[in-house]
Amino acid sequence: GESVGLHLPTLSVQEGDNSIINCAYSNSASDYFIWYKQESGKGPQFIIDIRSNMDKRQGQRVTVLLNKTVKHLSLQIAATQPGDSAVYFCAVHNNAGNMLTFGGGTRLMVKP
Amino acid sequence: DAGITQSPRHKVTETGTPVTLRCHQTENHRYMYWYRQDPGHGLRLIHYSYGVKDTDKGEVSDGYSVSRSKTEDFLLTLESATSSQTSVYFCAISTGPSYEQYFGPGTRLTVT
Repeated sequence: GESVGLHLPTLSVQEGDNSIINCAYSNSASDYFIWYKQESGKGPQFIIDIRSNMDKRQGQRVTVLLNKTVKHLSLQIAATQPGDSAVYFCAVHNNAGNMLTFGGGTRLMVKP
Repeated sequence: DAGITQSPRHKVTETGTPVTLRCHQTENHRYMYWYRQDPGHGLRLIHYSYGVKDTDKGEVSDGYSVSRSKTEDFLLTLESATSSQTSVYFCAISTGPSYEQYFGPGTRLTVT
């Protein structure tokens, strides 16, 4: 099976600083990874994804890093803004099934 | 929300009554999913569909059934609602099992 965990339940950062949110997974056969953002009262919103044949992928102000050796995934948000305040969680797919396993979420709080 | 609607958005029902939640998509995606989200558990897969009339169980399928008679609609039915099924239910769609899933706005269900 697959279990997905997050290192911190809450992360508080100053506006303008960089944020790093971490995720650990258990199954070495995992081949696809996604980060989601969820604002209060809304559905999860896709941010960025990465496949196991890569170790880094960049988007607009976000970077995902994948370390398959230690089964660790991180989301970096540059120049964090108040609008980034939300719960972030990772999702992991392994090629044995047709489903994603979701982590529990980290709440990012941005201080003005 | 990527052309996904859910209805109703809120529902209060009594224990023992049947409840049907509807997910409708305009993206023509093959895969559709039903999740529930509870504090401390994150998102958990209930059922999913990989085509019209093709469905399979997820992690927490007991007490739930689904149907998909058209590509655009995926129904989740609680045959006899229980208080443990009080939750927020999200529908998601994707083009395949190892591709990003896009989520609907959610349905908040309360079983009294």
